Amino acid sequence: DTGVSQNPRHKITKRGQNVTFRCDPISEHNRLYWYRQTLGQGPEFLTYFQNEAQLEKSRLLSDRFSAERPKGSFSTLEIQRTEQGDSAMYLCASSSQEGFDEQYFGPGTRLTVT
Amino acid sequence: DQQVKQNSPSLSVQEGRISILNCDYTNSMFDYFLWYKKYPAEGPTFLISISSIKDKNEDGRFTVFLNKSAKHLSLHIVPSQPGDSAVYFCAASIIETSGSRLTFGEGTQLTVNP
Repeated sequence: DTGVSQNPRHKITKRGQNVTFRCDPISEHNRLYWYRQTLGQGPEFLTYFQNEAQLEKSRLLSDRFSAERPKGSFSTLEIQRTEQGDSAMYLCASSSQEGFDEQYFGPGTRLTVT
Repeated sequence: DQQVKQNSPSLSVQEGRISILNCDYTNSMFDYFLWYKKYPAEGPTFLISISSIKDKNEDGRFTVFLNKSAKHLSLHIVPSQPGDSAVYFCAASIIETSGSRLTFGEGTQLTVNP
């Protein structure tokens, strides 16, 4: 296993369209996180899964955002009716549940909404 | 409400000298702190961490210092190398809650000149 992977790496979409991103975590990790990073800022927490259960969602995650992690493996993040303000880097991270383990990040999906 | 702040957007040092990156936090509940390094077009990479029960942690050229009373931590890189040039993010977590979600600072761009 080479680490956390994310697809696509880049996505350009028109305002109002729906987009879906995929994250494949490190295989033995049962925790999966989504973050969003805008220019000049650090990553901001969006949501977190432990196995297939979505345990927390940030207030940043509006009703247009939905995340799933079926069977506790890969995860998808969908944004409906995209807005220009959704343009950002979307980062996925995973960690194990053994004590406290650092989070390992994927390369991110850069979304541009035109 | 920026709970983790990195007040220096950029830092430039000469190769072989010490780099000191600073981070301040406001939430006294934070009990675990991490530094991540980020190269362009890549996700953040874990560098070093420290628990709030310690005041120093060292790993090779990297040392993190924690001053709980001042709510301040710093990352020392000695000696600095050109390959260390990257954006460095400070992050904080509360281990017992929220799946250990990370709260990041804004980042500091470190440039190490040959």
